[in-house]
Amino acid sequence: EVQLVESGGGLVQPGGSLRLSCAASGFSLSSHWMSWVRQAPGKGLEWVANIKQDGSERNYVDSVKGRFTLSRDNAKNSLYMQMDGLRAEDTAVYYCARERVPMILGTDFDYWGQGTPVTVSS
Amino acid sequence: SYVLTQPPSVSVSPGQTVSITCSGNRLGHKYACWYQQKPGQSPVLVIYEDTKRPSGIPERFSGSNSGNTATLTISGTQAMDEADYYCQAWDSSNYVFGTGTKVTVL
Repeated sequence: EVQLVESGGGLVQPGGSLRLSCAASGFSLSSHWMSWVRQAPGKGLEWVANIKQDGSERNYVDSVKGRFTLSRDNAKNSLYMQMDGLRAEDTAVYYCARERVPMILGTDFDYWGQGTPVTVSS
Repeated sequence: SYVLTQPPSVSVSPGQTVSITCSGNRLGHKYACWYQQKPGQSPVLVIYEDTKRPSGIPERFSGSNSGNTATLTISGTQAMDEADYYCQAWDSSNYVFGTGTKVTVL
C-alpha cells in the first residue's frame, strides 16, 4: 500500500525557517517525480514545487523561489522541503504528493499525504 | 501565469447530474485532471488524462476536455459526492490548480 506521511510543520515567526519531511512507503520513491502542494486556511490548492527522481531537477512556483528548497533521499524513501524566510502568506497545510506516471513530468497526483500544518505568525 | 477558472459553487439534487467546468486558455491542448476533496481530508484523484478514472472511482464520474474548457460530470449524484472539486493542468513547468468548486447535494 502506498503511503506518504508528512511531518515537521508547526508555528514559526515571520522570517523563520522550517524543514518539512515526507516519508514514503509501498513504492519505489526513486521512480517518481514528487511534489509539495499547499492549502491556505479556507482556500484552494496551490502547487509549490517538485523534484525529479534523482534530484537533478526542481521546479518552484514563483512565490517561493529563492526561499524554499527541495531535496530527497531515495535510500531513506524520504522527501524534504527546507522553507526559509517564511511569511504570513505561507501559512497553509502542506501536502506531499506523488506524480502518477513513473519518470514522466507534468501529469497528476495519484497519492497524497495527510498534510502537515504550517503557521507563520508572531 | 496560467489560470484555470471554475464556478465557486454548484448544487444538485440526489440522483441528478451535475457538471463542473474548468476554463483555461487552450486547455484542450493539455491534459486535465480532477480532484475531490472532502472537509478535513486530502484530495483524491477522480479523473486523469481528461477522461480516465483511477481504480476505485465510481463510473458516475466522467470527464471531457475540448477547446478552452474541461468538464467533470457526476451522474446519479449521491450525498457522498458533496465536496470541493479542483481541476488541474500542467503549464510552463508548473502545475496549476483551478479555483475550486463546492458541490452541494441538496
